[in-house]
Amino acid sequence: KQEVTQIPAALSVPEGENLVLNCSFTDSAIYNLQWFRQDPGKGLTSLLLIQSSQREQTSGRLNASLDKSSGRSTLYIAASQPGDSATYLCAVDGGSQGNLIFGKGTKLSVKP
Amino acid sequence: DAGVIQSPRHEVTEMGQEVTLRCKPISGHNSLFWYRQTMMRGLELLIYFNNNVPIDDSGMPEDRFSAKMPNASFSTLKIQPSEPRDSAVYFCASSPKQGMVEKLFFGSGTQLSVL
Repeated sequence: KQEVTQIPAALSVPEGENLVLNCSFTDSAIYNLQWFRQDPGKGLTSLLLIQSSQREQTSGRLNASLDKSSGRSTLYIAASQPGDSATYLCAVDGGSQGNLIFGKGTKLSVKP
Repeated sequence: DAGVIQSPRHEVTEMGQEVTLRCKPISGHNSLFWYRQTMMRGLELLIYFNNNVPIDDSGMPEDRFSAKMPNASFSTLKIQPSEPRDSAVYFCASSPKQGMVEKLFFGSGTQLSVL
């Protein structure tokens, strides 16, 4: 059974810092991995999608990497801003249509 | 488009009462998903529909939970009778293509509290 773990559960950094969020999964047979952002009282917004054949994806100040063999992904946020404060979740798609397996998220707080 | 619309935003009810959560997917989307989010278990898929037909309901916790999609623009998730352990945030999401989880659009959720 696929399990997704995110460490740390919470992270607080000063504005301007570069930071890395971690995600690990137990079954390397995945189709893709996504990183989502969740703001308080809101739904999830997809940030980046990495296909299983890819090693990384970039969008603006965000860079996500994937190492399938070791069951790990990282989300790198450059030059963090207070507006980046949110909970970040990773989710893996094992191919069972419709069933993304989510981690519990890392709650990020960027202090001005 | 207004996105995925869920109602109510908050629901407080007493144990044993029936609860109905509602969802309007994005127009033209073929798949609809119901998720539940708790601190203990995180985000879990309850059920999803393709073209209004339930495809996988293995995540529905027990018979007290039921979901329907009578047409392409409306879905309900019903809990009867409700219990305190059902307290959670329930999300609806839709996708433009059957089972396509790469393009999921989430609603803002319904915060359910069962006292």
